[in-house]
Amino acid sequence: DAMVIQNPRYQVTQFGKPVTLSCSQTLNHNVMYWYQQKSSQAPKLLFHYYDKDFNNEADTPDNFQSRRPNTSFCFLDIRSPGLGDTAMYLCATSIGSSGANVLTFGAGSRLTVL
Amino acid sequence: GQNIDQPTEMTATEGAIVQINCTYQTSGFNGLFWYQQHAGEAPTFLSYNVLDGLEEKGRFSSFLSRSKGYSYLLLKELQMKDSASYLCAVSDSNYQLIWGAGTKLIIKP
Repeated sequence: DAMVIQNPRYQVTQFGKPVTLSCSQTLNHNVMYWYQQKSSQAPKLLFHYYDKDFNNEADTPDNFQSRRPNTSFCFLDIRSPGLGDTAMYLCATSIGSSGANVLTFGAGSRLTVL
Repeated sequence: GQNIDQPTEMTATEGAIVQINCTYQTSGFNGLFWYQQHAGEAPTFLSYNVLDGLEEKGRFSSFLSRSKGYSYLLLKELQMKDSASYLCAVSDSNYQLIWGAGTKLIIKP
């Protein structure tokens, strides 16, 4: 089945210790997104790529970086996690970026910073 | 600013009908989405409305009034598995998705 796969599903890290989250897709979608979602809050867009064209949201902290080495893979790097970065990180894909732009989400990576 | 409002939590009984409302204020409008999110899982797509009126899909229906900045999701014949959060999201003039915080729906036997 075509899908969006995120690894790891659960990650516990120490304050300041770098973390990398990965996302792969077999849907051949052009657009890939990284969202941060804290408990009972709306998903917050961190970045998105249209093909290799990188788009950084204005309020995404510099501590968060992203890479998309090819159309199938995307990574989220948190260089120095703080306690406030404890959240679910959701990767999503879509065919395009306009119109009835349905997002397909991965199962998420739940990050806990101690 | 851009804003999506939905109730934080609702409770309903198995077999009943529930309506989850969403009001929005956005810069432009290119459609409204409803997603379902079970606890600890990723959101999954339920419906998309871009024109006024009711869209029906099995037990779920979604309604849109663009003039009122209003939508609702109607769930019929509720089942225990419908216990989840329901997220409303609007695509603005730049096709950016503005998300609500979600409505947690609790189904009781």
